[in-house]
Amino acid sequence: AQSVTQPDIHITVSEGASLELRCNYSYGATPYLFWYVQSPGQGLQLLLKYFSGDTLVQGIKGFEAEFKRSQSSFNLRKPSVHWSDAAEYFCAVGGILYGNKLVFGAGTILRVKS
Amino acid sequence: DGGITQSPKYLFRKEGQNVTLSCEQNLNHDAMYWYRQDPGQGLRLIYYSQIVNDFQKGDIAEGYSVSREKKESFPLTVTSAQKNPTAFYLCASTNRRGAEGNQPQHFGDGTRLSIL
Repeated sequence: AQSVTQPDIHITVSEGASLELRCNYSYGATPYLFWYVQSPGQGLQLLLKYFSGDTLVQGIKGFEAEFKRSQSSFNLRKPSVHWSDAAEYFCAVGGILYGNKLVFGAGTILRVKS
Repeated sequence: DGGITQSPKYLFRKEGQNVTLSCEQNLNHDAMYWYRQDPGQGLRLIYYSQIVNDFQKGDIAEGYSVSREKKESFPLTVTSAQKNPTAFYLCASTNRRGAEGNQPQHFGDGTRLSIL
């Protein structure tokens, strides 16, 4: 079955430090790729998406992600983390081989220390 | 403002009881989805509907039922057959224009269901 892997369950970074959250997928072709953020007790908010074209995509709140076909990865990055970025982050993948539905990773909880 | 409204925010179920979670959207989206979220497991798809009066089972449909009588509404019933219903339930909708699966989904703020 097609799957999405977020290897890090928890990550802690200092405020102002850079951040990279990892996402890997199993797929035979380029899927549609998404990153969402969830604050406690809330729904999910879309940060950015990749469909095709430039492999470096910019999103909201200063986030960016890079699609690397050779590594089947779509890692999320931010150059300088703010305390308000503390949340849970989900990578999701869609496309024909995923039944045209989004398949979500298990999530990475980000803690920011001051 | 357009969006997705889920109610209630908290819900308690007694043994043997069916409960219904409400999801309403005013985004004029064709497709609507129900997900279940458990800690450390991400989101799992329960049911989805891409058009009024039609819906399909997702990955964990057993013990759940849905209806789609109106474009803007997609209620989820958690039946007594669902033996482990305690979870956070999220409703989402999507504009189906464009290639299938490539439209990001908008989410409601969720309903937390617990067993009494």
